[in-house]
Amino acid sequence: GDSVTQMEGPVTLSEEAFLTINCTYTATGYPSLFWYVQYPGEGLQLLLKATKADDKGSNKGFEATYRKETTSFHLEKGSVQVSDSAVYFCALELNSGYSTLTFGKGTMLLVSP
Amino acid sequence: EPEVTQTPSHQVTQMGQEVILRCVPISNHLYFYWYRQILGQKVEFLVSFYNNEISEKSEIFDDQFSVERPDGSNFTLKIRSTKLEDSAMYFCASRYGEGVDTQYFGPGTRLTVL
Repeated sequence: GDSVTQMEGPVTLSEEAFLTINCTYTATGYPSLFWYVQYPGEGLQLLLKATKADDKGSNKGFEATYRKETTSFHLEKGSVQVSDSAVYFCALELNSGYSTLTFGKGTMLLVSP
Repeated sequence: EPEVTQTPSHQVTQMGQEVILRCVPISNHLYFYWYRQILGQKVEFLVSFYNNEISEKSEIFDDQFSVERPDGSNFTLKIRSTKLEDSAMYFCASRYGEGVDTQYFGPGTRLTVL
């Protein structure tokens, strides 16, 4: 079945460090790919998305490129801030019918000053 | 900005009791979802709801679970007889249309079954 695998956390970085959170997927069709973020005490918020191969999603300095050849959608940010501390979820959605999201386990990011 | 709300934020119950988790989706949205996340595990799809009926459900969503949209604004998840393994964070989500339209999530209800 469809699945998403993310790197284990927590990821601990100092402010202004470069961030990569790896995400790979397995899907039978041609999914859309998403990164959601969950700040402490809040719900899941869409961070960025890409709907087809080679698309790049970006938001708030975060980027991820849909790589069909490696079935990956790694999240990157050039310079993290303390306020980026949160749990990041990679997810896929097949573009058919009442599409539902398939999530990874989530990766906690902790950024220290 | 409109948002999905959920109540309560934390529910503690005894095994075998019924619980109802409540969600208020964004007002013009048409598709509604429940997901859950057991501590340390993945966020898992439970059920989707459209046009006043279940459109899809996972294997987790057995006869102990039911959903309802009783009054056009609330969307509820009922667990008839809770088990210890039902302890999890339950997320409600809604979207306006199907396809790649974004799902908006609520903050979740943490259910603890003792």
